[in-house]
Amino acid sequence: QVQLVQSGAEVKKPGASVTVSCKVSRYTLTELSMHWVRQAPGKGLEWMGGFDPEDGETIYAQKFQGRVTMTEDTSTDTAYMELSSLRSEDTAVYYCATDTGGLRFLAWAFDYWGQGTLITVSS
Amino acid sequence: QSALTQPASVSGSPGQSITISCTGTSSEVAGYKYVSWYQQQPGKAPKLMIYDVTNRPSGVSNRFSGSKSGNTASLTISGLQAEDEADYYCSSYTTNNTHVVFGGGTKLTVL
Repeated sequence: QVQLVQSGAEVKKPGASVTVSCKVSRYTLTELSMHWVRQAPGKGLEWMGGFDPEDGETIYAQKFQGRVTMTEDTSTDTAYMELSSLRSEDTAVYYCATDTGGLRFLAWAFDYWGQGTLITVSS
Repeated sequence: QSALTQPASVSGSPGQSITISCTGTSSEVAGYKYVSWYQQQPGKAPKLMIYDVTNRPSGVSNRFSGSKSGNTASLTISGLQAEDEADYYCSSYTTNNTHVVFGGGTKLTVL
């Protein structure tokens, strides 16, 4: 089954950018539709964006448009999520997760998850 | 405020059945089959329990079942066990630019 291993926790200052990585093993990134979901401390889950295999493009939640960039390095099977102009409200655990539909279609359900990366935004 | 409404908490005794509701609108729950449920233990990543309203991923106990009626989806856990104690989140595809919305989560306590 798919294994996702994320980069470690980081502390950032307001206004800075952060990049979280997600290394895929046991599968290749080209076989997967990768998404990113975050969870603020003590709060619920929030979808940020992911790969739409039907269009072949990455789609983002409107809330994050212009501030988030999701990329993939297929040579290393690593996905990246960069979030810029950080503010305190961005303090959260960030997860990468794969869509159950794979590259066939978007099922809008996420079956494999990374362990999460805590990003703390503080001055 | 979450787009999907879940009760903050539910509880039950071992062996009992409980149901967690997830209420939305025609823009998500009522309009599409893409309703999922996740279990999250403290400090852990979410685990997919139900997708496409009623389907269980391989390896998920058949004590977990999903259903939908109109704007409300439901997760039922039968034969409650201590290990079921966790937070549960529903999610749905939505026609707005958010694409996916989650419920606020329900804390299940096994008494």
